Amino acid sequence: KNQVEQSPQSLIILEGKNCTLQCNYTVSPFSNLRWYKQDTGRGPVSLTIMTFSENTKSNGRYTATLDADTKQSSLHITASQLSDSASYICVVSASGSGSARQLTFGSGTQLTVLP
Amino acid sequence: DAGVIQSPRHEVTEMGQEVTLRCKPISGHDYLFWYRQTMMRGLELLIYFNNNVPIDDSGMPEDRFSAKMPNASFSTLKIQPSEPRDSAVYFCASSTQGTAAKNIQYFGAGTRLSVL
Repeated sequence: KNQVEQSPQSLIILEGKNCTLQCNYTVSPFSNLRWYKQDTGRGPVSLTIMTFSENTKSNGRYTATLDADTKQSSLHITASQLSDSASYICVVSASGSGSARQLTFGSGTQLTVLP
Repeated sequence: DAGVIQSPRHEVTEMGQEVTLRCKPISGHDYLFWYRQTMMRGLELLIYFNNNVPIDDSGMPEDRFSAKMPNASFSTLKIQPSEPRDSAVYFCASSTQGTAAKNIQYFGAGTRLSVL
């Protein structure tokens, strides 16, 4: 069964500090992995998308890494800001027919950045 | 473009009533997705359309749920009759591709449904 596990479930950090969120998956065959940011009361917004051949992808202060061998991904946030407070969701897509049914969602990490 | 537009933003209804959620995708996007999000189950894909045609509705929980896309700029998700366990935030998303690599789905702000 395809699964995506995220850790920690929640995280509290002080403004300006760095943090790393983890995503472990058992989706097979792997196609791509996405990180979304979801602000409270809003829809998810795509941060990064990585395919099998990519092991790092940056989007401003957000850097995602992918280790396809160990089936792990991380999202590193540098110099956190109050606006980074949100839920971060890892989504893994399996290759195949291309059906959206191939998407497996993590339960998210709730990040709170305190002043 | 104003992005994906969903209405209403909030809906409170009584058990047994019919509920209709609406979505306007981004112009030019030919894929449209309906998701449900709850604290217990996270994000779940319910159904998606390509060029107004339903492609995969295996995530639709029961026959009480139905979705239509009469044209490229409008879709509805209907629940009839509604039940308290349907309470959730329902998101609509659109994209220019399905789930192909590099495809980005753009989400609406969601409709928060409360069934009393």
